[in-house]
Amino acid sequence: GESVGLHLPTLSVQEGDNSIINCAYSNSASDYFIWYKQESGKGPQFIIDIRSNMDKRQGQRVTVLLNKTVKHLSLQIAATQPGDSAVYFCAEGSNYKLTFGKGTLLTVNP
Amino acid sequence: EAQVTQNPRYLITVTGKKLTVTCSQNMNHEYMSWYRQDPGLGLRQIYYSMNVEVTDKGDVPEGYKVSRKEKRNFPLILESPSPNQTSLYFCASSYRQGDTEAFFGQGTRLTVV
Repeated sequence: GESVGLHLPTLSVQEGDNSIINCAYSNSASDYFIWYKQESGKGPQFIIDIRSNMDKRQGQRVTVLLNKTVKHLSLQIAATQPGDSAVYFCAEGSNYKLTFGKGTLLTVNP
Repeated sequence: EAQVTQNPRYLITVTGKKLTVTCSQNMNHEYMSWYRQDPGLGLRQIYYSMNVEVTDKGDVPEGYKVSRKEKRNFPLILESPSPNQTSLYFCASSYRQGDTEAFFGQGTRLTVV
């Protein structure tokens, strides 16, 4: 069946460096993709989304890239800060549901 | 403040004792859903509701019930909880079906002994 997975379960970066979190998906019919951030003890928080007819979208310090040829999604965080430490989930959406990946733990070292 | 509110935040109960986890949103959202989060499995959808009186099963509905009598409330009911329902539960809402920005509650940590 369809699945959304992450290449790396953990990622450790130095403060100020750029972070790249990757995600593979298998449902080519997905309409959109979303990145969520979950801090310890909190619910997931929307970061950025991208529609399936786009290949790049930028937000504040974040960029999402979508490569439909290889079914790959990435989240780039520029100038990573300690407050960016969290678990990041990618999710794919179609119709009425979201399917989440298992998450990547990002740790930012001072 | 726009928010999704779940109660309780923490609950320990015994097998077979019916319980309800409440969820309320103040954003007039049409779409609401429940997820459970388990280590190594990520977030899995239990049930969703596209509007009042319209609900449907998600990926893991067994052992759960929901209702949507009012737009703002979407309670999750466990008629006869079992230990395998020990999990972290999240309620989420969005403006309408297919809206990408979902707002999540703070979570309910349920332990069934």
